[in-house]
Amino acid sequence: DAGVTQSPTHLIKTRGQQVTLRCSPKSGHDTVSWYQQALGQGPQFIFQYYEEEERQRGNFPDRFSGHQYPNYSSELNVNALLLGDSALYLCASSPTSIYGYTFGSGTRLTVV
Amino acid sequence: GESVGLHLPTLSVQEGDNSIINCAYSNSASDYFIWYKQESGKGPQFIIDIRSNMDKRQGQRVTVLLNKTVKHLSLQIAATQPGDSAVYFCAEVQGGKLIFGQGTELSVKP
Repeated sequence: DAGVTQSPTHLIKTRGQQVTLRCSPKSGHDTVSWYQQALGQGPQFIFQYYEEEERQRGNFPDRFSGHQYPNYSSELNVNALLLGDSALYLCASSPTSIYGYTFGSGTRLTVV
Repeated sequence: GESVGLHLPTLSVQEGDNSIINCAYSNSASDYFIWYKQESGKGPQFIIDIRSNMDKRQGQRVTVLLNKTVKHLSLQIAATQPGDSAVYFCAEVQGGKLIFGQGTELSVKP
């Protein structure tokens, strides 16, 4: 049984560019959350998707947006990249109404 | 704002010793807490969880203690092994989202 799959594993982008990160949740999970983890810090909640809608959002600017597809997979989009967006982006999936979060290995984004 | 914090950023122990990692939280309304282990280049891995109606929960070689009076969590690892070397985070569940602390790096000396 595959866990949470994220792609790509590493990415280098230039300031001002746009990036899309992808996540396939664990089988049986329908809720997807995204987290940003700066070096040496704990993950910070970006937003959560359920039934193809953003259910809640953390303290991140509108440059961060997302999408969830009918098969529960999800994308995280970041526009107008800043150097400070360099981080590990983690996707976590969970089943509805149950606290069972499974994390992917993340996408390491470097903005130069 | 609400946050979950850790007392010690690093912890070094001898193989075979017991490890204790501490965590303070600020939201007394939280009713669910999770400990995660994160190895280099990997995502957080679930270790053990506890609900606020419990004081203690045991797993395989790990125990979590919850003291709601002082809003404190601890993770105890028995007979620490080199494979336990990692960063450990406590996380507080608020409305379905996880609030993480900064983390404690555990280093196990052989």
